[in-house]
Amino acid sequence: DTGVSQNPRHKITKRGQNVTFRCDPISEHNRLYWYRQTLGQGPEFLTYFQNEAQLEKSRLLSDRFSAERPKGSFSTLEIQRTEQGDSAMYLCASSLVGAIRTEAFFGQGTRLTVV
Amino acid sequence: AQKITQTQPGMFVQEKEAVTLDCTYDTSDPSYGLFWYKQPSSGEMIFLIYQGSYDQQNATEGRYSLNFQKARKSANLVISASQLGDSAMYFCAMREGTEGGFKTIFGAGTRLFVKA
Repeated sequence: DTGVSQNPRHKITKRGQNVTFRCDPISEHNRLYWYRQTLGQGPEFLTYFQNEAQLEKSRLLSDRFSAERPKGSFSTLEIQRTEQGDSAMYLCASSLVGAIRTEAFFGQGTRLTVV
Repeated sequence: AQKITQTQPGMFVQEKEAVTLDCTYDTSDPSYGLFWYKQPSSGEMIFLIYQGSYDQQNATEGRYSLNFQKARKSANLVISASQLGDSAMYFCAMREGTEGGFKTIFGAGTRLFVKA
């Protein structure tokens, strides 16, 4: 399978716990994005990487959120001290750098429920 | 300020008819790309069609076409011969060039219902 892979697909956690999600992009893609999507809304940009460098973080990304992309391959998104408002679908996408034309390919997302 | 605006929260269309989903955008970057994605109830985001800011022709991909009006900053998606499987959320997205750091931002979406 050469698509974008996200794990886990679903995560239920208690408020206050930490969670970590993983994204494996398409292998030749050097740009990786994280988005958050709540029910009935469009994906909201959180952050993105070019290779291992994190180029931009949205103001939506509080200090409880951290993302890494060691070695420019897979990426992890960690949420510390989860809150109920963090419940959402977290989407990862990848694309080729610098090309306006190339679309971003999305994974199937990780649905987080904080109880 | 909203960069991508989709003013139709929901749309209904009869099977086999055409439907237009509206999208307006705001950017001062001369180089940008516009995308449409489909999100069925299963959740995956499926790329449909792309239009570049310098493209002279409107993009077409099978039953999908993009009505690009640059001066009006609109990029409406036209789906011809609607099928029941077209029922889904549709998102318009924009990638800006240098100003926007090549990141893609999305509108709030339009839910399309295709009636038999």
